[in-house]
Amino acid sequence: GAGVSQSPSNKVTEKGKDVELRCDPISGHTALYWYRQSLGQGLEFLIYFQGNSAPDKSGLPSDRFSAERTGGSVSTLTIQRTQQEDSAVYLCASSSYQGRYNEQFFGPGTRLTVL
Amino acid sequence: GDSVTQMEGPVTLSEEAFLTINCTYTATGYPSLFWYVQYPGEGLQLLLKATKADDKGSNKGFEATYRKETTSFHLEKGSVQVSDSAVYFCALNTDKLIFGTGTRLQVFP
Repeated sequence: GAGVSQSPSNKVTEKGKDVELRCDPISGHTALYWYRQSLGQGLEFLIYFQGNSAPDKSGLPSDRFSAERTGGSVSTLTIQRTQQEDSAVYLCASSSYQGRYNEQFFGPGTRLTVL
Repeated sequence: GDSVTQMEGPVTLSEEAFLTINCTYTATGYPSLFWYVQYPGEGLQLLLKATKADDKGSNKGFEATYRKETTSFHLEKGSVQVSDSAVYFCALNTDKLIFGTGTRLQVFP
């Protein structure tokens, strides 16, 4: 595709429910990143994938958060037993390779609201 | 750990005014430095980048120079336009992006 796509664009859920957020990276990009943008915490790194493996999960805030990537393409971020503090915009980015020189291209984000 | 500090906003300017948004960083190793911009209702876009000391990144009239001695990457533009109104994020990249808190710029005609 032309850019990184994410779905859904908006998700409203009740506290305690599980949610799945999807990211489709730019075709051919091997590196994929998840970030979270919230009022209180700004833009935070969550996890990145190189291919299907996740060398750095250090940003995941708790064990309720998990992510997977299959086929070196689509990634899913899952939040179990959602809490109100999980409300944020979840951003996905991809780059042609993983490394400090490389530009990351961002998707439009999924706005998650936990009631 | 690695971190980025940006000046607090909002920054409010008249059209054609000079813009500076300060950014300093703390990092082990040799990061690349980026400015990303988020226009109202849109996603994050790369504005410019610099990958080593003394490099100058530039785009759309914006410039920033990677200063290792002062650990800074200040964003400048000589003459801002109303269309530059957005939130600007400074970031460093070692193997993932570490962002500053963002600075909102409002330009009035």
